[in-house]
Order: sequence, then C-alpha cells, then structure tokens
Amino acid sequence: GAVVSQHPSWVICKSGTSVKIECRSLDFQATTMFWYRQFPKQSLMLMATSNEGSKATYEQGVEKDKFLINHASLTLSTLTVTSAHPEDSSFYICSASEESHGYTFGSGTRLTVV
Amino acid sequence: AQSVTQLGSHVSVSEGALVLLRCNYSSSVPPYLFWYVQYPNQGLQLLLKYTSAATLVKGINGFEAEFKKSETSFHLTKPSAHMSDAAEYFCAVTSRSSASKIIFGSGTRLSIRP
Repeated sequence: GAVVSQHPSWVICKSGTSVKIECRSLDFQATTMFWYRQFPKQSLMLMATSNEGSKATYEQGVEKDKFLINHASLTLSTLTVTSAHPEDSSFYICSASEESHGYTFGSGTRLTVV
Repeated sequence: AQSVTQLGSHVSVSEGALVLLRCNYSSSVPPYLFWYVQYPNQGLQLLLKYTSAATLVKGINGFEAEFKKSETSFHLTKPSAHMSDAAEYFCAVTSRSSASKIIFGSGTRLSIRP
C-alpha cells in the first residue's frame, strides 16, 4: 500500500529558531500534498495545499511567510516553521494524494517550542 | 462548500456492545466520504471510504458505514466493540478529485468500558 514518511516525529526547538518538517511519498508520486495542524483534543485544520513545482495555496488565516511550504518534487514536500514561538507548538500532519491511491497521511510531527 | 458534523465528542460503550459514531455531511457536489482513526500521538489510519459505488462500505477491523443520501449521513458502526477500538475517530469529506482538500469533522473519542 501507499506509504508517506514524515520526519521528524517530534522536535523541540528554542523560540525564534526555524524548524523544517519533511513529508515523503515512498512508493508513489503525489500530485498534491496537504499540511494540517492539530491542537490537543481537536480536529485537523488544513493549513495549505501544495502541488509540485508551484506555490502553495494557504487557507485563510494561515501566515504564508511563517509557514513556508516547498514542494520541489512529486515525492517530497517540506514545511518550515520560521521564527517559531510557543504558540506554534502543535501536531503537524502531512497528506499526499494521487489518483489511484487516494489520500495517505504521514505519522505526524510533534513540535514543541520552548 | 463542504463540511461534516460529528454528533457527540465522546462516546462510551461496553466491550462487546454495538459501536455507533454519527456523521452528517454537507456538500454541493457528490462527495467522497471517509472515516479515519487516530491513536494518541499518531497519524491517521483510513478505516473506510465511500466513493459512489456501494452505499454500504466495509472497512478494516470490523467497521462499516452506510451512505444515506436522503439523510446526508455516513454513520460508522461496529457490531461488537473491542478494547483496542478506543481511539479518536474522524469523519471527513472531499469532492471527487485527488487534488481536492479533505475537510475533517471535529472528531469523536471512543472509550470502551471493560
């Protein structure tokens, strides 16, 4: 079956630093990748949609300069949280989609900003 | 616009009892509907999906869901609950394109009593 690898699974960083999260589709080419954010005991909120080689489309209220998304290839998308602050602490999940496989989710990244 | 509403943020059943998790959707186009399960600090696992074939969809771990257009519902059921079913369950909707974003419901936490 389709597998999406997300790294790191958890990260602790100091306030003001940047953190990069990777999302890779291991056995298929993902035409579209999605990034979600999940606060404790809440649902997944879509942050942005990215297609390979083009700019990401951000949801309303998501700061594109703070959450940089790069989708350089059909198997890799990255989310960089720039100048992280404690309020950015959350669980981030990526999803990759492709016509025959549907949607496959990564295992998530727990970000803690101290 | 599309949305899903999950009735009941927390459902508790006894081991061996019927599990019923409710989901109602709203969509201006024919939808694809999903149920996902999430264990603590993990990503999402697909339980089942409706893609306009059979209205009764069978998934993994003994779960099934029935698409009822007249009621705009897609409730998840399992005849006999196991302790291992305790988790967070999300209903989700999207339109019929792999590039379309998935919209999640607020989630239902399922607890199993011994």
